Amino acid sequence: DGGITQSPKYLFRKEGQNVTLSCEQNLNHDAMYWYRQDPGQGLRLIYYSQIVNDFQKGDIAEGYSVSREKKESFPLTVTSAQKNPTAFYLCASSTHGNSGNTIYFGEGSWLTVV
Amino acid sequence: AQKITQTQPGMFVQEKEAVTLDCTYDTSDPSYGLFWYKQPSSGEMIFLIYQGSYDQQNATEGRYSLNFQKARKSANLVISASQLGDSAMYFCAMLTGGFKTIFGAGTRLFVKA
Repeated sequence: DGGITQSPKYLFRKEGQNVTLSCEQNLNHDAMYWYRQDPGQGLRLIYYSQIVNDFQKGDIAEGYSVSREKKESFPLTVTSAQKNPTAFYLCASSTHGNSGNTIYFGEGSWLTVV
Repeated sequence: AQKITQTQPGMFVQEKEAVTLDCTYDTSDPSYGLFWYKQPSSGEMIFLIYQGSYDQQNATEGRYSLNFQKARKSANLVISASQLGDSAMYFCAMLTGGFKTIFGAGTRLFVKA
């Protein structure tokens, strides 16, 4: 089935550790995104990438890093510099079509700092 | 500045009735897209409906319709014949300047039996 796969679904991190969230899509979409969602809040853009080997910072990029070595993959690393990383992280992808650049999402990853 | 505003933190609707979720936006771009997403308690974001800024007619998708009033910069979601499964968070979003999509704070909808 075509879709966006995020892993792991749940992740616990000790303070001071870096963690990487995986995102893979088989939709052949050009653009990929990472959003952060805090409880009861909307989505905030961390990073996005329009093509392979290129990415741009979103509104809250500090403490995060990404790479885009393959079209299908857009992993997000939450570094120890991110002061409040506990949140729900959503990966998404899009391509230009009849519905504009509609974003389709993965199922999300819950990150908790312990 | 580009902004999406959803002023209703929570809404209640009786099963089988219609409900309107409000969304206003602000952008200086002449070309933009407006979206609605549903987020059930599981957390996944489900795409519901899209409206382009140049579209002449309001978008519809099954029980969902988007009431697009360009002059007022509003893009309200109308859900007809509400079902218990419609209980969820609903987010309005706007795409401007190419690939960047911004989201509102969301409205939590409760459907009563």
